[in-house]
Amino acid sequence: GNSVTQMEGPVTLSEEAFLTINCTYTATGYPSLFWYVQYPGEGLQLLLKATKADDKGSNKGFEATYRKETTSFHLEKGSVQVSDSAVYFCALGYRGSTLGRLYFGRGTQLTVWP
Amino acid sequence: SAVISQKPSRDICQRGTSLTIQCQVDSQVTMMFWYRQQPGQSLTLIATANQGSEATYESGFVIDKFPISRPNLTFSTLTVSNMSPEDSSIYLCSVEDSEYNEQFFGPGTRLTVL
Repeated sequence: GNSVTQMEGPVTLSEEAFLTINCTYTATGYPSLFWYVQYPGEGLQLLLKATKADDKGSNKGFEATYRKETTSFHLEKGSVQVSDSAVYFCALGYRGSTLGRLYFGRGTQLTVWP
Repeated sequence: SAVISQKPSRDICQRGTSLTIQCQVDSQVTMMFWYRQQPGQSLTLIATANQGSEATYESGFVIDKFPISRPNLTFSTLTVSNMSPEDSSIYLCSVEDSEYNEQFFGPGTRLTVL
């Protein structure tokens, strides 16, 4: 089947610290991988994506590399800011005639202190 | 990208009543999805709604409890029927942009059932 496993939260960091949020997946085919972010009181926003093995998605200083050999898509940022405080969701979906439904991880709450 | 609005943004309802949530998209889309996000949990797909056909429900969700309408390519509604406190969640609609291999989410409807 298809599933996504994220590291347990919450994660609390000081400003300018390095961030890693682990994400591993189980898939029956060749999925696309996504990171979504949910800021307090807001809906989900796509942060970055990768559609095939070894692709690197990046946005707003965040990066994640699609690693087929380790079935992972870890999210990283070199220097977090207070404004990065949010819940981060890893997800997978299938590209084709239709992407179809997304499979989400449980989400990781990130809090960044000044 | 698609811009999605939902109404209401939040509501507090009494046990045994029903609430209809509206989802409006600014462009025509084939597939719309309804998700539920229970407190502290990830997103769970309720059903997929294609225009002109019956919605397809995921395991654990039934049409009598969550009837869905999809009258045209820009609009859908989800009704939460005979509500109980366990239905307290955020309900989100999403649409697929197959050209960009992305899904876009509405801001969500925060439902509290007393």
